[in-house]
Amino acid sequence: EDKVVQSPLSLVVHEGDTVTLNCSYEVTNFRSLLWYKQEKKAPTFLFMLTSSGIEKKSGRLSSILDKKELSSILNITATQTGDSAIYLCAGGSSNTGKLIFGQGTTLQVKP
Amino acid sequence: DVKVTQSSRYLVKRTGEKVFLECVQDMDHENMFWYRQDPGLGLRLIYFSYDVKMKEKGDIPEGYSVSREKKERFSLILESASTNQTSMYLCASRRGGSHDEQFFGPGTRLTVL
Repeated sequence: EDKVVQSPLSLVVHEGDTVTLNCSYEVTNFRSLLWYKQEKKAPTFLFMLTSSGIEKKSGRLSSILDKKELSSILNITATQTGDSAIYLCAGGSSNTGKLIFGQGTTLQVKP
Repeated sequence: DVKVTQSSRYLVKRTGEKVFLECVQDMDHENMFWYRQDPGLGLRLIYFSYDVKMKEKGDIPEGYSVSREKKERFSLILESASTNQTSMYLCASRRGGSHDEQFFGPGTRLTVL
């Protein structure tokens, strides 16, 4: 059975800290790994990773995929209170087109 | 900007009621999805639709049905609501024939009393 596991499930840091969120996956016919950020509204897309070892970056956020380890990390540097959210990781299957989501990591950034 | 809207942000219903959750997208996307989100369980796929009149069961379809009569609209139906269907329901859409990201609506928090 396909599954995606995120860790930690929750995290509390102070502004300025750097955080690393983890995602491991077991997805049949794996095609892509996606990261979303969810505040008190619709999840918003952050990154889609399909190639191993190539970092994707957007401002203070970056992510990388390791297909050998079946995992991905999301890094956030110099955290701000606006980074407080649930971060969702999802594995995409090429044969079904479905996304399999992890449980999410709840990040709280304190001033 | 892709916009996915859901008919209600909050909904309170009674056990046994028939409940309709509506989702509309304005980007001419072929694929549409319904998820429920529960603490500790993440998003779980209920039903999806690759195109008009088409529907496929997701991982937890029991107790739900769907309707896709028009391309822009995907409805989730709870035939007889039960308390274990209290949850956050999220709708998403995606361009057909692609493995691109899905675009999500703001969610409907349904409480069944």
